[in-house]
Amino acid sequence: AQSVAQPEDQVNVAEGNPLTVKCTYSVSGNPYLFWYVQYPNRGLQFLLKYITGDNLVKGSYGFEAEFNKSQTSFHLKKPSALVSDSALYFCAVSGGASGGSYIPTFGRGTSLIVHP
Amino acid sequence: DTGVSQDPRHKITKRGQNVTFRCDPISEHNRLYWYRQTLGQGPEFLTYFQNEAQLEKSRLLSDRFSAERPKGSFSTLEIQRTEQGDSAMYLCASSLDTGSCYFGAGTRLSVL
Repeated sequence: AQSVAQPEDQVNVAEGNPLTVKCTYSVSGNPYLFWYVQYPNRGLQFLLKYITGDNLVKGSYGFEAEFNKSQTSFHLKKPSALVSDSALYFCAVSGGASGGSYIPTFGRGTSLIVHP
Repeated sequence: DTGVSQDPRHKITKRGQNVTFRCDPISEHNRLYWYRQTLGQGPEFLTYFQNEAQLEKSRLLSDRFSAERPKGSFSTLEIQRTEQGDSAMYLCASSLDTGSCYFGAGTRLSVL
């Protein structure tokens, strides 16, 4: 079965500093990988995805993520954090076209807190 | 099209009552998913439709839960004889084939 691990329940960072939110995955075949953000009492908003191609994926609001096949990781990054980035972040994986389930499986989420 | 719509946003019900939620996906999206999210957890898959066909159901989905997607457009999720453990946020998402899922704002269910 496919799975996602987000090892940190919470990440704290000062405004203006770089941030990283970690994600590792397990899936059969080549993965499709996603990051979503959730603000209080809201649904999930799509940030970015990796399907194939360049390992560094750029997404919304200045976020990017790096796919590392050997480490089965897809960490979310931003060069300079904003207070407004404070939210809950979810990593998701699906099996894509080559195996595993095409239904996205989500991690437990990481709460990002950016301090002024 | 403004995205995935869910109705109602909030539902408070008494234990034992039936409830029904509606999801209107992005119009050109052929895939529709229902997830459930509880506090401190990520979304858990419940069921999936491709067009009007319900292709997969989670083992989480007890026989008190039923979902439909008539004509491959909107979808409904019904919970019969609600229990306190059903209290959660119910999320609907849609996608075009294996593309990215886009989520609605969710329906928050409170069972008293």
